[in-house]
Amino acid sequence: DVKVTQSSRYLVKRTGEKVFLECVQDMDHENMFWYRQDPGLGLRLIYFSYDVKMKEKGDIPEGYSVSREKKERFSLILESASTNQTSMYLCASSLQGLNEKLFFGSGTQLSVL
Amino acid sequence: GENVEQHPSTLSVQEGDSAVIKCTYSDSASNYFPWYKQELGKGPQLIIDIRSNVGEKKDQRIAVTLNKTAKHFSLHITETQPEDSAVYFCAASKGGGGADGLTFGKGTHLIIQP
Repeated sequence: DVKVTQSSRYLVKRTGEKVFLECVQDMDHENMFWYRQDPGLGLRLIYFSYDVKMKEKGDIPEGYSVSREKKERFSLILESASTNQTSMYLCASSLQGLNEKLFFGSGTQLSVL
Repeated sequence: GENVEQHPSTLSVQEGDSAVIKCTYSDSASNYFPWYKQELGKGPQLIIDIRSNVGEKKDQRIAVTLNKTAKHFSLHITETQPEDSAVYFCAASKGGGGADGLTFGKGTHLIIQP
């Protein structure tokens, strides 16, 4: 069965900390995505990657960076966490040429204090 | 870019009744319209999708309709059951295999009253 695994379900960090959110997929998918989910705002795309070492900015990339060193792993990095980055973060993957059919992880609820 | 509006934000229906969620999109080049269901504590999961060359698609109790002229599409759930309670997201895409993903609506919280 298709699986996207996010390393942490809940995470609490302090303002200014560097934060790493990890995502692994076991489906050999080319495309991987990071979304942020906030009440009343829906899902907003932060970054995506269509190949190893490739990355593209989404709609809200400010304050974030990503890393994709291996096909199965896509990391989201908060260089200096701020309180307005408190949110639910969702990782997703899809096959090349079928970018619309996303498979999501269960999410990481990040709280920045 | 694409803009997707979704209504209502919250919908409460009696068990057994039908539920309808509506979305509009702005980019006439969009040609793929999926619906995702997010249960509590889980990530969204694709439940049904439609492409612009089709006006309606059904899968058991759920159906999606598309009006390209008016640029709106709807999700219909008949004979609602408690397990239908969730947040539903519509989305739109230009397809073509590009890696820029989907534009999502803000979501509808569907509550099924026993």
